[in-house]
Amino acid sequence: DADVTQTPRNRITKTGKRIMLECSQTKGHDRMYWYRQDPGLGLRLIYYSFDVKDINKGEISDGYSVSRQAQAKFSLSLESAIPNQTALYFCATSDPGQGAGNTIYFGEGSWLTVV
Amino acid sequence: DAKTTQPPSMDCAEGRAANLPCNHSTISGNEYVYWYRQIHSQGPQYIIHGLKNNETNEMASLIITEDRKSSTLILPHATLRDTAVYYCIAGGAYSGAGSYQLTFGKGTKLSVIP
Repeated sequence: DADVTQTPRNRITKTGKRIMLECSQTKGHDRMYWYRQDPGLGLRLIYYSFDVKDINKGEISDGYSVSRQAQAKFSLSLESAIPNQTALYFCATSDPGQGAGNTIYFGEGSWLTVV
Repeated sequence: DAKTTQPPSMDCAEGRAANLPCNHSTISGNEYVYWYRQIHSQGPQYIIHGLKNNETNEMASLIITEDRKSSTLILPHATLRDTAVYYCIAGGAYSGAGSYQLTFGKGTKLSVIP
């Protein structure tokens, strides 16, 4: 089983609909992240959370919201989806307390298509 | 995070060593050099990271120049399954409530050729 699990893995939704992507992890890490990947643009950080009570905006947070329900769960919501939010979304975790640096571990990704 | 520069693409013959370069001339003293790879559209996979010293693990070796302005990832015996986009990242310094994220650029697309 994957250490970082994302659901759904694929979703097609209509413009204006609310959609939630869920992420759960079994690594016991405090830090969790949501990234978005568009073709040719690499990964861009949407939101990150250092612990259950901490939520921070990343590079491209407009149009998104998040909820950290527990240490192991971090969900991403699109309140009113629009076509340019069509992308591959990744959840990730890290635990700097393990030692040097801040190695990030990624989930398998969620393809979202907004039509 | 410090900006990194990588060639957009490289080819490597199967069984040969793949040497992927990365420039990070603005790296600060407490920033690490990380390498990740992404196979097709899977989640990026951590490969290796280092601060000053060269590092080796079961996947690869990381050679960091003495001035830390550049580094090279070495895959000693490339296989077809190593075909992927390789990302070099300089950052992620741990300073308690400070730096946290890793900024991914466009990486190098490595093609391993039979």
